Amino acid sequence: GAVVSQHPSWVICKSGTSVKIECRSLDFQATTMFWYRQFPKQSLMLMATSNEGSKATYEQGVEKDKFLINHASLTLSTLTVTSAHPEDSSFYICSARAGSRTVVYNEQFFGPGTRLTVL
Amino acid sequence: EDQVTQSPEALRLQEGESSSLNCSYTVSGLRGLFWYRQDPGKGPEFLFTLYSAGEEKEKERLKATLTKKESFLHITAPKPEDSATYLCAVQGYTDKLIFGTGTRLQVFP
Repeated sequence: GAVVSQHPSWVICKSGTSVKIECRSLDFQATTMFWYRQFPKQSLMLMATSNEGSKATYEQGVEKDKFLINHASLTLSTLTVTSAHPEDSSFYICSARAGSRTVVYNEQFFGPGTRLTVL
Repeated sequence: EDQVTQSPEALRLQEGESSSLNCSYTVSGLRGLFWYRQDPGKGPEFLFTLYSAGEEKEKERLKATLTKKESFLHITAPKPEDSATYLCAVQGYTDKLIFGTGTRLQVFP
């Protein structure tokens, strides 16, 4: 149980284009999903928190107009990197936390990650 | 400010050589301390959640313990397949996970 998928697993795009990454909780409902970024040999940096049906909360220094997050259902969140540039190249990982409107669990379960390379 | 420090940064063990990884933390209102395993190029895999000092959890060759200031991940008789980066994270009042930089474990046959 507690499986989270991400698609695509890797993507290469040209500078100035937009890329959408999907995160799905496959066997549980996730009221909250998180998006992280990880640089080589560094730890995970939280970018934003998204709750189903409401606007995402972005961490300080993360441009909300550049990293668009949508959490349209209890099993799907998307991250769109708009007008991507080489400095956006990174490993993007989502996580999902199980819960309902009355019960929230603490554990976050992570997807396998998406490697984005912007040329 | 919530903070997590992991040591050592890297650890090389011979197969069967037991050891411990350390996670020191400061957090406002600990709601949980989490251990994850991360293989290269993959997302973190959940291992344990610890909620209060004195709590211990075990899974196969791994045992996690918690005090008010730190957590240990004990690895007993490790095998090469235990090689990975082990991440520690804390959750406080802010509801976010604050991660340490991890311990890269290599187990040689």
